[in-house]
Amino acid sequence: GESVGLHLPTLSVQEGDNSIINCAYSNSASDYFIWYKQESGKGPQFIIDIRSNMDKRQGQRVTVLLNKTVKHLSLQIAATQPGDSAVYFCVGRYSTLTFGKGTMLLVSP
Amino acid sequence: EAQVTQNPRYLITVTGKKLTVTCSQNMNHEYMSWYRQDPGLGLRQIYYSMNVEVTDKGDVPEGYKVSRKEKRNFPLILESPSPNQTSLYFCASSGGSLSYEQYFGPGTRLTVT
Repeated sequence: GESVGLHLPTLSVQEGDNSIINCAYSNSASDYFIWYKQESGKGPQFIIDIRSNMDKRQGQRVTVLLNKTVKHLSLQIAATQPGDSAVYFCVGRYSTLTFGKGTMLLVSP
Repeated sequence: EAQVTQNPRYLITVTGKKLTVTCSQNMNHEYMSWYRQDPGLGLRQIYYSMNVEVTDKGDVPEGYKVSRKEKRNFPLILESPSPNQTSLYFCASSGGSLSYEQYFGPGTRLTVT
């Protein structure tokens, strides 16, 4: 079956630092990987996606890297801000969306 | 404003008392789904619907029912709630079954005693 998981349940960074959130997956059949952000008390919100035939995709302050050889993807957030504090989910698109367990990003001033 | 709404936001109930959590979206989306979120387990899909009168089981459907009589509404029904259904529930909608940009509601925190 599909499995998508994150490496660390919690990541603490200082404001202004770059954050890297990692994720591993077991099933290569996903055609897209997606990152969602969930702020406290809210539902998850789409951030960025990457097609499985790509290695890198950039958005505003965020970059997704996909390494299909080792079945790993990462979300990089540049100049992390307090508003980035949230739980981040990597999601694989298989027959349905499969969510990983999430990494909580804590940004301290 | 495009949104997914859920009601109630918070609910405390007792074992065996039937309840319904409503979900409504105003984006004319075909696809809707329900998830539950539990600590350490992430988000797990309960049921989904690809269109009106079309529903299917997700990963954890036991103890739940759904219906899709109208495109905008997708209620989640717990006929006989049990304490292991205490959880945070999210409804989501998207333009298609495999659309990766799902719009989530604000969540319903359910406690079953």
